[in-house]
Amino acid sequence: DGGITQSPKYLFRKEGQNVTLSCEQNLNHDAMYWYRQDPGQGLRLIYYSQIVNDFQKGDIAEGYSVSREKKESFPLTVTSAQKNPTAFYLCASTSYSNQPQHFGDGTRLSIL
Amino acid sequence: LAKTTQPISMDSYEGQEVNITCSHNNIATNDYITWYQQFPSQGPRFIIQGYKTKVTNEVASLFIPADRKSSTLSLPRVSLSDTAVYYCLVGDMRGNAGNMLTFGGGTRLMVKP
Repeated sequence: DGGITQSPKYLFRKEGQNVTLSCEQNLNHDAMYWYRQDPGQGLRLIYYSQIVNDFQKGDIAEGYSVSREKKESFPLTVTSAQKNPTAFYLCASTSYSNQPQHFGDGTRLSIL
Repeated sequence: LAKTTQPISMDSYEGQEVNITCSHNNIATNDYITWYQQFPSQGPRFIIQGYKTKVTNEVASLFIPADRKSSTLSLPRVSLSDTAVYYCLVGDMRGNAGNMLTFGGGTRLMVKP
């Protein structure tokens, strides 16, 4: 089955540490997105990529970095500069048509 | 970006029809209206999408008036498993449109026995 796989499901970060969240899709989608969701809140866009080797900042990009070396992969690094990283992180993808975004099942990041 | 307004929460009982209305006064010509469902600790799941008039699929109906400034998601005969958060999104859905989607706080639907 085609879909989006996020790993790990749970992740813990120590103070001053960078951590990387994985997002892989086998839907042959062109665009990929990273969202952050805080408890009881909606989703906020961190970064998005419309094509390999290109990406743009979303609304809350500070303290995060991404890469898009392959069409199917869009990893997100939460850097030590992100002072409040505890949240639920969601990856999504879509094609260049009026099709809805497909979402993974998220990674929950917590601080030790 | 088209901002959306929807009720924060709604309660219903099993077997009832639930209608959730979303306001989007600034909707643009290329914007579609899309509804997602989200359960705790899961990613949002697509429910239905429309541009104008009425769209129906196996799980819901979407009613869009001619001016497209609002839309109503209709869930027929809800069950306990429909308890979730429902998000109304308005935007250009194409991947090359970039970050044209805005997720608001959603509507928390509680279905009671």
